Amino acid sequence: NAGVTQTPKFRILKIGQSMTLQCTQDMNHNYMYWYRQDPGMGLKLIYYSVGAGITDKGEVPNGYNVSRSTTEDFPLRLELAAPSQTSVYFCASTPSPNSPLHFGNGTRLTVT
Amino acid sequence: GENVEQHPSTLSVQEGDSAVIKCTYSDSASNYFPWYKQELGKRPQLIIDIRSNVGEKKDQRIAVTLNKTAKHFSLHITETQPEDSAVYFCAASRGSSGSARQLTFGSGTQLTVLP
Repeated sequence: NAGVTQTPKFRILKIGQSMTLQCTQDMNHNYMYWYRQDPGMGLKLIYYSVGAGITDKGEVPNGYNVSRSTTEDFPLRLELAAPSQTSVYFCASTPSPNSPLHFGNGTRLTVT
Repeated sequence: GENVEQHPSTLSVQEGDSAVIKCTYSDSASNYFPWYKQELGKRPQLIIDIRSNVGEKKDQRIAVTLNKTAKHFSLHITETQPEDSAVYFCAASRGSSGSARQLTFGSGTQLTVLP
């Protein structure tokens, strides 16, 4: 198993541009999450999903959108990028709420 | 919502000494408390977790204690080694079977083990 795979690893965006951060997992996990990690800070939950077709907002959803059309994929969409969205983004998955999270390697995004 | 505070933000210890990191949480309904280790430029990795029906859990040199009354939990690392140097995050969540856990993370502790 590859686990949780995130692409791209790095990206620089100009203010106002849009992009999609990709996340895919091959472990057949129902639960998937997107976190952002600002420098020197802990992770904050952006969106999560409990299964295909179901998504919900986390602590910091503004400026982001997600979709979950399949169990494997959970892309995160940034519309109208702002400097405040400069961060490292981690996708994670788990088979059940009581199991540990499996994190991807992260996407480092800079908005200038 | 839940609020997790973590102290200290930086911690330096001599190799072989013990390290203790403390976290407090605000939501008395939280029932799951994991600890993650994150090396520079890497993803967080779970090192130990504890649930609210247990007061202490050990795994070799790592232990976690939980005081539900005071709403705080701590990570203890004994016989520290240079490879223990990393950022450690605590987290807390409430939840039950069938509902997603929304982890709230502390702000992290940079642990440096000096040889």
